[in-house]
Amino acid sequence: QQQVKQSPQSLIVQKGGISIINCAYENTAFDYFPWYQQFPGKGPALLIAIRPDVSEKKEGRFTISFNKSAKQFSLHIMDSQPGDSATYFCAASMSTGFQKLVFGTGTRLLVSP
Amino acid sequence: SAVISQKPSRDICQRGTSLTIQCQVDSQVTMMFWYRQQPGQSLTLIATANQGSEATYESGFVIDKFPISRPNLTFSTLTVSNMSPEDSSIYLCSVGITGSHEQYFGPGTRLTVT
Repeated sequence: QQQVKQSPQSLIVQKGGISIINCAYENTAFDYFPWYQQFPGKGPALLIAIRPDVSEKKEGRFTISFNKSAKQFSLHIMDSQPGDSATYFCAASMSTGFQKLVFGTGTRLLVSP
Repeated sequence: SAVISQKPSRDICQRGTSLTIQCQVDSQVTMMFWYRQQPGQSLTLIATANQGSEATYESGFVIDKFPISRPNLTFSTLTVSNMSPEDSSIYLCSVGITGSHEQYFGPGTRLTVT
C-alpha cells in the first residue's frame, strides 16, 4: 500500500514534443505528490508538486495532472528540450508522521535533438 | 529551499571498514532524512533523523549498520559500518522544510566498496 508505481521505465521524445510520465498510488492517506528531476551524478531536484485538492498545476513547461478518484497523477513536459534529458521520479507523502517520501521507480527521459 | 552539502562526494573503501558521511544544511531544519540509491535505481529511505531524538529506521535498516547522529539543526552524519560490496550505492541526505512537505536533497555521496 506504500508503493508508488511509475511508468514508463524509459521514454524517448523528439525535441519539441510532449513527454508524459504516469504514476499511480494505493494509499489514500497520501496528500502530497512531488516530482523530482535527477541528472547523472547529482541529487534529485524538486521540480513541481501538487496536493489532491487541485486537478492540475502548471509551472512553465511542466504540468502535473491529478486524478484523485483514479489515484493517478502524471507529469507533462511541453516543448521537450534536450536539456530535459534526465531521470524523473514521482513521489508521495502524508501529512502525518515524518512526511516521509515514497518514490516511484523512475523514468529515464531522452529528448532527441 | 535549502542548500545542502555532503562530504565526501565519493569514496572507495575496503570491505569491513566504516565510512561516515556528513550532511550540512545552510539553515536550521527540523527533519533530515537519509536515503540510499543503488545504481540505476530509485531512492530508498534509510532513516529519519530529527534533532533531539533517536533516528527512526525503516524496515530493513538497523542502527548497528547505519548509525546516525543529529547533534544540531543544521548537521547530521550517517555511518555505513562493516561495509560489504552490497553497500556500494549513492547515499543522499535530504531536509524537510518546516511548515511544508517540501524536501530538498544534497548532491549525494557515491560509495564503492571493494
